[in-house]
Amino acid sequence: KQEVTQIPAALSVPEGENLVLNCSFTDSAIYNLQWFRQDPGKGLTSLLLIQSSQREQTSGRLNASLDKSSGRSTLYIAASQPGDSATYLCAVLIDNYQLIWGAGTKLIIKP
Amino acid sequence: GAVVSQHPSWVICKSGTSVKIECRSLDFQATTMFWYRQFPKQSLMLMATSNEGSKATYEQGVEKDKFLINHASLTLSTLTVTSAHPEDSSFYICSARVGASTDTQYFGPGTRLTVL
Repeated sequence: KQEVTQIPAALSVPEGENLVLNCSFTDSAIYNLQWFRQDPGKGLTSLLLIQSSQREQTSGRLNASLDKSSGRSTLYIAASQPGDSATYLCAVLIDNYQLIWGAGTKLIIKP
Repeated sequence: GAVVSQHPSWVICKSGTSVKIECRSLDFQATTMFWYRQFPKQSLMLMATSNEGSKATYEQGVEKDKFLINHASLTLSTLTVTSAHPEDSSFYICSARVGASTDTQYFGPGTRLTVL
């Protein structure tokens, strides 16, 4: 059974720091892995999607890596800003097109 | 933890038919539910926000007459794809928020719709 774990559950850092969020999954048989951002009271915003054949994706200050064999993904945020404060979720797409979600990391960037 | 279920997990239908997808919060009451759609190899896109007892708020470009959303109870929201066509084939996922004053959402496993 596929399980997705995100560490840490919460993170608070000063503005300007680079940071890494972690996501691990137990079964390497995935179609893709996605990172999402969730703002309070709002729906999801998709940040990055990495296909199973890819190693990383970049968008602006965000970089996501995927090591399928070890069941790990990281989301790197460079030069963090207060506007980056949100909950970040990762999810893997598995057989039967089911999304298995991590519980999220709540990120607070202190001005 | 809180669980959100979706039914069915996958469905195949003929063009022109209507398909209903259910989203249920199993052990909590959800005042707000969100519906998303994801096309192959693309990111998840928000379709609409549904508040219990009121009309759903649709995102720009989403046809409200084609994608009917009903949120009649605090534990159930339904998405009906009317007169489905092959271009509606997609992955639909819902999420549920516990209350108006919380940002905690729980997500369903998704429903794969294939229209022939």
